[in-house]
Amino acid sequence: DAGVIQSPRHEVTEMGQEVTLRCKPISGHDYLFWYRQTMMRGLELLIYFNNNVPIDDSGMPEDRFSAKMPNASFSTLKIQPSEPRDSAVYFCASNRGGNQPQHFGDGTRLSIL
Amino acid sequence: KQEVTQIPAALSVPEGENLVLNCSFTDSAIYNLQWFRQDPGKGLTSLLLIQSSQREQTSGRLNASLDKSSGRSTLYIAASQPGDSATYLCAVARGGGATNKLIFGTGTLLAVQP
Repeated sequence: DAGVIQSPRHEVTEMGQEVTLRCKPISGHDYLFWYRQTMMRGLELLIYFNNNVPIDDSGMPEDRFSAKMPNASFSTLKIQPSEPRDSAVYFCASNRGGNQPQHFGDGTRLSIL
Repeated sequence: KQEVTQIPAALSVPEGENLVLNCSFTDSAIYNLQWFRQDPGKGLTSLLLIQSSQREQTSGRLNASLDKSSGRSTLYIAASQPGDSATYLCAVARGGGATNKLIFGTGTLLAVQP
């Protein structure tokens, strides 16, 4: 079974540029989550979707961040414009909901110069 | 506001030793508690999930317990091996309408020395 697939694995870009992170959840999983991990703040939930609909985006730090899920097999997280403090590892995860564990991708390591 | 704390932050043990990792949380109204492991440069791998109505879960050499009243969970690793070296994170799923929102602890970095 293919797990959660994220791309790119690494992204280095200059401040002010638009960044797009991509995620393919596990087939059949109804929930998709975007997390951010930093040394200072640990692992934080940014937003999650149920059946392609955003349910809770209270963790999205600023209007510069946006996420979409146009279909059940694809989601994007965009940062525009990017800033150095956005540098972190961004994870995507999915599950079937309820008492089912979340399955994580390998993450995108983002560096904003 | 739910807060999750893990102690110790780092732990180094010789191979073969049994060990316990601790997790505490401030709000007992949880839906479930999950333990994950994270290897360097990788995502999180789910180890055990304990539902709020359960007291413990076991998988191989791993055993996790849950005491909601005291706001504590422990992860017991028997006969530790160098391959167990990783960061271990606990996370609680909130109750009510936010059952899918996980609040993570800061993790315990485990090193098992051969």
